[in-house]
Amino acid sequence: DAKTTQPPSMDCAEGRAANLPCNHSTISGNEYVYWYRQIHSQGPQYIIHGLKNNETNEMASLIITEDRKSSTLILPHATLRDTAVYYCIAPLGKLIFGQGTELSVKP
Amino acid sequence: NAGVMQNPRHLVRRRGQEARLRCSPMKGHSHVYWYRQLPEEGLKFMVYLQKENIIDESGMPKERFSAEFPKEGPSILRIQQVVRGDSAAYFCASSPPGHVSYEQYFGPGTRLTVT
Repeated sequence: DAKTTQPPSMDCAEGRAANLPCNHSTISGNEYVYWYRQIHSQGPQYIIHGLKNNETNEMASLIITEDRKSSTLILPHATLRDTAVYYCIAPLGKLIFGQGTELSVKP
Repeated sequence: NAGVMQNPRHLVRRRGQEARLRCSPMKGHSHVYWYRQLPEEGLKFMVYLQKENIIDESGMPKERFSAEFPKEGPSILRIQQVVRGDSAAYFCASSPPGHVSYEQYFGPGTRLTVT
């Protein structure tokens, strides 16, 4: 698995966009980037994934740089219920969850 | 469309007893994955199973732990002779048939407490 690096924590104001960065400078050409989140005490939840094009679904947008060395998960209008640990993963064979970014959405 | 079901949600065992954790995948899913989350730690992959086959057990402790996914019925994670260090949340995930999928759907977890 390519190693991913995320900031340990971030704050975001309710209603604003939350932009969560991830560095994956060692990612290979065929490795996707996956994002999951884990709300306290719950099972992880799949959010989105991408290879090199930007992706959007009902939950979030994923922006991947052209060199694929980093990506940003965007929650366009964060709510209090988006408070969670967000994991950026470049899996190869299995999902390896690192420490993630603890996002706190504040009123 | 029911999601991944795990039971029991909470399990208390004394040291030396056996723990059996069950996971019913989403309808139509034939791949099951087990993960463990120790207190204040991240999720760790344990095992990946398809019906009647263990595909990857590289994350399973060498002793006391076993997993199965029979042709009929739920997947079972079995821990024999539990010790305090086994206290953790155990999550199961499932994905549809086909090649290995990283788009996995997780259950609510079983919280095991060993006293």
